[in-house]
Amino acid sequence: AQKITQTQPGMFVQEKEAVTLDCTYDTSDQSYGLFWYKQPSSGEMIFLIYQGSYDEQNATEGRYSLNFQKARKSANLVISASQLGDSAMYFCAMREGTGTYKYIFGTGTRLKVLA
Amino acid sequence: DAGVTQSPTHLIKTRGQHVTLRCSPISGHKSVSWYQQVLGQGPQFIFQYYEKEERGRGNFPDRFSARQFPNYSSELNVNALLLGDSALYLCASSLVPGGSGNTIYFGEGSWLTVV
Repeated sequence: AQKITQTQPGMFVQEKEAVTLDCTYDTSDQSYGLFWYKQPSSGEMIFLIYQGSYDEQNATEGRYSLNFQKARKSANLVISASQLGDSAMYFCAMREGTGTYKYIFGTGTRLKVLA
Repeated sequence: DAGVTQSPTHLIKTRGQHVTLRCSPISGHKSVSWYQQVLGQGPQFIFQYYEKEERGRGNFPDRFSARQFPNYSSELNVNALLLGDSALYLCASSLVPGGSGNTIYFGEGSWLTVV
């Protein structure tokens, strides 16, 4: 069964420093998508970055990059130059196959950026 | 452009009652998904609808039902509410159900408290 594991319940980072949030996944599918979402206290899930299983290059979106290691089944999120507004819950998610939008989420990592 | 809109934002219900949650997708999006997020957990998939038809269902009891209207808006209904139904209910929209690279976009959610 597909599964997403986030082993860091909470993380602290100093403002302007980089931080890596860990995510490992388990699937028997050859085609899948990996996503990271940010959830502030308001509750809205904000899409950050996407990586397809067949993409050879790591995805980047501004200050966000995804360190995709397919053999290790890991999809870590790297946030560069952290800002106070980055403080939030971060969820790693996997989409099963390409014919559905059923997403499986991890339990999340709470990031706190320190001034 | 308006994002995914959900209503109500907060509500309190009594055990045994019924609740209806509403969602309007992003303009042009034809697929709507519903997720339940219990405190401290990642979202759990409940339903996906596309062109008014159910395209996927998660592991939820029959007390949970949904539908999609011709304008692509959607309702989630929960009957015979239990204390354990207290959660944030997230609606997400997407252009189509599947497709590599396409992601889903979430609303701010409806916070349901069952007392």
